[in-house]
Amino acid sequence: LAKTTQPISMDSYEGQEVNITCSHNNIATNDYITWYQQFPSQGPRFIIQGYKTKVTNEVASLFIPADRKSSTLSLPRVSLSDTAVYYCLVGGTNDYKLSFGAGTTVTVRA
Amino acid sequence: EPEVTQTPSHQVTQMGQEVILRCVPISNHLYFYWYRQILGQKVEFLVSFYNNEISEKSEIFDDQFSVERPDGSNFTLKIRSTKLEDSAMYFCASGQGEKETQYFGPGTRLLVL
Repeated sequence: LAKTTQPISMDSYEGQEVNITCSHNNIATNDYITWYQQFPSQGPRFIIQGYKTKVTNEVASLFIPADRKSSTLSLPRVSLSDTAVYYCLVGGTNDYKLSFGAGTTVTVRA
Repeated sequence: EPEVTQTPSHQVTQMGQEVILRCVPISNHLYFYWYRQILGQKVEFLVSFYNNEISEKSEIFDDQFSVERPDGSNFTLKIRSTKLEDSAMYFCASGQGEKETQYFGPGTRLLVL
C-alpha cells in the first residue's frame, strides 16, 4: 500500500475554501485515491474517490496532477459542521483493507 | 439511504469476559470488515470477510478474535477473553467490492475494566 503524507491540522473560517494536499510518491499504477471524513465518536465516511485529473461531487472536489504523486481535496465554503478529521487513502483493486493514517484535523471557526 | 448498523452502541465488560459485537451490513454488500480505533489513535484494520470466510486479517486479530456471519444479515465480532487493551471503538464496514467505497457503521464503544 502506498504511504501517504498529509498535514496534521488546518484551521479555517466559515465560508472559506479548504484545500488539503496529500503526498503519495510511491503510488502504483492501479491505485485509487480515496478521501474519508470522520467526526468525533463516529465511523469514517466516504467523501470522494479518483484515479486521475479532477473529480467533483456534491461535497468536494479532488484534484490529481498527471504524475499522481499527490492529490488535493477541496472543500468549498466550509461551515462549522465540516470540522472533522480528513483521511487520504491510496489503494488498488486488490486491497481489501483500508489503511488509515493520522489524517488532517480541520477546524472551522465562526 | 441504506446504512450499516451496530449494536450495542456501548459495552462495558470485565477483563476476561467474552463479548460479541453485532453489525448489520448494507443488504446487497458482499465484503465485510471490522476496524477498531483506540481513543486518540488512528483507525486500524482488523479483518475482512468475503464469501463466508476471512479474506485478510491484521496482526491485531489474534486467536482471541473471531468473526461470523450467522445468518443472511448479521456480521459479528467475538472477543473471547477481553483484555484492558481491547478498550476501543469498534467499527463495522461493508462494501460491494475490493476498491469500492466502504460504508462504516456508527461503532460500538467497548470498555474493558
